[in-house]
Amino acid sequence: KNQVEQSPQSLIILEGKNCTLQCNYTVSPFSNLRWYKQDTGRGPVSLTIMTFSENTKSNGRYTATLDADTKQSSLHITASQLSDSASYICVVSPTTSGTYKYIFGTGTRLKVLA
Amino acid sequence: KAGVTQTPRYLIKTRGQQVTLSCSPISGHRSVSWYQQTPGQGLQFLFEYFSETQRNKGNFPGRFSGRQFSNSRSEMNVSTLELGDSALYLCASSYSGGGRQNIQYFGAGTRLSVL
Repeated sequence: KNQVEQSPQSLIILEGKNCTLQCNYTVSPFSNLRWYKQDTGRGPVSLTIMTFSENTKSNGRYTATLDADTKQSSLHITASQLSDSASYICVVSPTTSGTYKYIFGTGTRLKVLA
Repeated sequence: KAGVTQTPRYLIKTRGQQVTLSCSPISGHRSVSWYQQTPGQGLQFLFEYFSETQRNKGNFPGRFSGRQFSNSRSEMNVSTLELGDSALYLCASSYSGGGRQNIQYFGAGTRLSVL
């Protein structure tokens, strides 16, 4: 069964610190892997999109990495800010019979404290 | 450029009723996808419409249906509501579909409560 698992479930860090969120998936083959940020009460916002052949993608202080061999992705946040407090969701799009769907992880809830 | 607009933002219904949610995509976007988000299950893909045709469908019962109009606006309908349908329903639009590297832009969602 295709699955996407994220860890940790929640995380609390101090402002200015770095953190890394993990995403393990069993989806294979897949078209692309995305990371989204979702603020409370709002829709998700795309942070990065990587195909299976890419191993890193940056968006400002956010850097996503992908290891297709171990089926792991991580999202590294540098110099965290209070505005980084949100849920971060990993999404994998499998390549199946010419169509595609989305398999979502349950997210990591990040809280940045002053 | 206006973002993805979903209406209404909040909705309260009772079991057995039906509901229609609306989504206006970003101008020029032809793909609209719908998702259900609950605390227990997270985000789940419902279906995607492109040029008025359903192009992809998730694993939801037939009570969940949708359609897309010629102006790319989309509606989602849920019939015979159940308590478990209480969720945040999100709509996302993209230029040609999220299966490739097109970025999806999400609306703020419609929060449906079924009593």
